[in-house]
Amino acid sequence: KAGVTQTPRYLIKTRGQQVTLSCSPISGHRSVSWYQQTPGQGLQFLFEYFSETQRNKGNFPGRFSGRQFSNSRSEMNVSTLELGDSALYLCASSSGTSGSWQETQYFGPGTRLLVL
Amino acid sequence: AQSVAQPEDQVNVAEGNPLTVKCTYSVSGNPYLFWYVQYPNRGLQFLLKYITGDNLVKGSYGFEAEFNKSQTSFHLKKPSALVSDSALYFCAVGRQTGGSYIPTFGRGTSLIVHP
Repeated sequence: KAGVTQTPRYLIKTRGQQVTLSCSPISGHRSVSWYQQTPGQGLQFLFEYFSETQRNKGNFPGRFSGRQFSNSRSEMNVSTLELGDSALYLCASSSGTSGSWQETQYFGPGTRLLVL
Repeated sequence: AQSVAQPEDQVNVAEGNPLTVKCTYSVSGNPYLFWYVQYPNRGLQFLLKYITGDNLVKGSYGFEAEFNKSQTSFHLKKPSALVSDSALYFCAVGRQTGGSYIPTFGRGTSLIVHP
């Protein structure tokens, strides 16, 4: 089975711009979660989508949003970029069918975003 | 609120020696505990998890972890370290909410295994 894929792998943007990141989960997985990893704040949960619905949300401002499509692929969008948004953005998928709190999450390689 | 503490930023061990990476947690209710490993420029890889059952959990690559409820700890261990085990290790605790859970990660511990 192919693993979780994320595109693009690297991005450079300037302050005020917006960005869209994409995540394709493992085939058959219906849950996709997004995380932000920075040296200062570590790994932080952004949100989780299951069957095209946001199921959980972390403590991030409304500039961070996401969506999930019927094929379980997910996108996250960050509007009005700030310097502090520079980070590695990771997505993870799981089957989501029996309660994700029991399931293993499989992570993609991440998208490294640099905001100048 | 839930939290995870990894008290050591870095752990150094010689190849062939046993290793321990420490993790303590705080969560209301039953904890769901996980260990992940991250190699340079890679995403996280699942190592093992504790949901219920035996306190000693065995995982990938020869790693194991012991759940200690009284000490609220979930230390990662391996009997004999390999140089290839050198990586960044994250402990995480999950809080159940609805049909899913929200994970909180520790800051990570860099494990360096010397030849």
